[in-house]
Amino acid sequence: DTGVSQNPRHKITKRGQNVTFRCDPISEHNRLYWYRQTLGQGPEFLTYFQNEAQLEKSRLLSDRFSAERPKGSFSTLEIQRTEQGDSAMYLCASSLGQDWTYEQYFGPGTRLTVT
Amino acid sequence: SQQGEEDPQALSIQEGENATMNCSYKTSINNLQWYRQNSGRGLVHLILIRSNEREKHSGRLRVTLDTSKKSSSLLITASRAADTASYFCATDAYNDYKLSFGAGTTVTVRA
Repeated sequence: DTGVSQNPRHKITKRGQNVTFRCDPISEHNRLYWYRQTLGQGPEFLTYFQNEAQLEKSRLLSDRFSAERPKGSFSTLEIQRTEQGDSAMYLCASSLGQDWTYEQYFGPGTRLTVT
Repeated sequence: SQQGEEDPQALSIQEGENATMNCSYKTSINNLQWYRQNSGRGLVHLILIRSNEREKHSGRLRVTLDTSKKSSSLLITASRAADTASYFCATDAYNDYKLSFGAGTTVTVRA
């Protein structure tokens, strides 16, 4: 399967714990995006990378959130000191990165539940 | 905050009927895309329409875009049970690759 993959698919954690999610984009895609989706809502943009450079971060990304994309391949999203409000589906997407291409390809998501 | 709003929020139709949903957005766009999401899963890209296009077709999908009204519509013809899903419109602005999504329309196709 050459699509976007995310791990884990589900994560249950206690409030105050740290969690880390991984995203593996489609191999030739150099743009990678993170979104968060809560129940009944559309995805909301968190951050995006062009190769290894993090080019934009949303105001939703508080200082408890950090994302990396070492070597411009896979990416990790870490949430420190989780809060119940962090419970959501975290979606990763990638795109080709040519100026004329805007379609994004999404992974299956990581569903986070903070108890 | 969400850029787009879909209308209706939910739609229930009989298999074989057409489904139409609308999307309105607030600021100028470069492209508008429609995505489908099956329950609890990732999003699947359906179709992209550029700001200088007015209509686009892909299989059973027809998308229109009216930039003067800041609105788009998605028509699914001859619906099937497998079309049951949530549908989202998403916009991007010129030189800005992130997507802004609406809250979605949930479509149920009854057999």
